[in-house]
Amino acid sequence: EAQVTQNPRYLITVTGKKLTVTCSQNMNHEYMSWYRQDPGLGLRQIYYSMNVEVTDKGDVPEGYKVSRKEKRNFPLILESPSPNQTSLYFCASSLLGSGNTIYFGEGSWLTVV
Amino acid sequence: KQEVTQIPAALSVPEGENLVLNCSFTDSAIYNLQWFRQDPGKGLTSLLLIQSSQREQTSGRLNASLDKSSGRSTLYIAASQPGDSATYLCAGENTGNQFYFGTGTSLTVIP
Repeated sequence: EAQVTQNPRYLITVTGKKLTVTCSQNMNHEYMSWYRQDPGLGLRQIYYSMNVEVTDKGDVPEGYKVSRKEKRNFPLILESPSPNQTSLYFCASSLLGSGNTIYFGEGSWLTVV
Repeated sequence: KQEVTQIPAALSVPEGENLVLNCSFTDSAIYNLQWFRQDPGKGLTSLLLIQSSQREQTSGRLNASLDKSSGRSTLYIAASQPGDSATYLCAGENTGNQFYFGTGTSLTVIP
């Protein structure tokens, strides 16, 4: 079954404590990306990757890091989380090139206190 | 920067009604457009993809159209059912694989 898997699904953490949200896809997709979803703002892209070792900033990259060492994995790293990073995070993947269906993970609810 | 507006923000209809959801872009240079469904606490599921050479797509009771000249898209849902209750989002894609999402329309279909 085609899947994008994110972990953890729910997390409460404290300001400044580094955390990583993992994302894995089983469809051999080249393109992967991270979004955050906030009320009234819709989904905003954080980072994306078009292939292994190729990553680029989206619209809201500040405070986040990513890596793409393997094709299937695209972890999102918050080095020093702050309360304004409390949000619902989605990982997504697709084949490279325009006009392909995007597959989303089920989301990770992150609260930073 | 691309801004995407979805109207209405929320909609409540009785079961069986036909309905139209709207999506518009500030920059009409959209290459492809997708409509998604999001259930509470869940990820997004792609419903329809209108590719650059197409003007509309149909799947079952759903029909989506795209007018690139005006930067507008509509999602038509025929004979709505309670199971259609969800948030519907549109997303425009540029030629660089970047997507711009609307804030969504929350649909409630009343039995």
